[in-house]
Amino acid sequence: AQKVTQAQTEISVVEKEDVTLDCVYETRDTTYYLFWYKQPPSGELVFLIRRNSFDEQNEISGRYSWNFQKSTSSFNFTITASQVVDSAVYFCALSELGAQKLVFGQGTRLTINP
Amino acid sequence: DAMVIQNPRYQVTQFGKPVTLSCSQTLNHNVMYWYQQKSSQAPKLLFHYYDKDFNNEADTPDNFQSRRPNTSFCFLDIRSPGLGDAAMYLCATSRGRGGVGEQYFGPGTRLTVT
Repeated sequence: AQKVTQAQTEISVVEKEDVTLDCVYETRDTTYYLFWYKQPPSGELVFLIRRNSFDEQNEISGRYSWNFQKSTSSFNFTITASQVVDSAVYFCALSELGAQKLVFGQGTRLTINP
Repeated sequence: DAMVIQNPRYQVTQFGKPVTLSCSQTLNHNVMYWYQQKSSQAPKLLFHYYDKDFNNEADTPDNFQSRRPNTSFCFLDIRSPGLGDAAMYLCATSRGRGGVGEQYFGPGTRLTVT
């Protein structure tokens, strides 16, 4: 069965600090896809990144970076030099090939204080 | 801009009074999804359409129905809303089948049941 665990329910940091959001997943499939979504207070889920199970290269996009490690079944998300606008709930999600379904973690509420 | 649109953004209905939520997309994606998200929880998939092929999640109550008259539009009908159905309802789309592509979400409709 598929499962995504985001152990950090809430994180609060001061602006400009770096912060890492953890994501651990479980799946029996060898082909799967991992995602991160951001949900600001407005409610819309915003797609951030997709990673397939065969691509373990880390990715950097501006202040955002993602570390995918199959050996530990983790797909962690780091925000460098955090800003108040980064405050949101962040969801990690998993999709198995052919499943047509996103399995979400419980989300991490990130608060960046000025 | 191509997008997923949901109307209304806020809906108030009475206990037991049928309500319809609507979703439209300009992305021309094959797949449309309806999620229910309760406060401080992850989105929960209710059902999805691949073109006109309807796929219901096993634990979606019969009280929830959906219609997709064409590629662009999808509706969520709640036949007899209960207090427990108060939630944010999110519509999403993706291109193609197989769980490969990322899903694009609309802003959601927040349903209140009085």
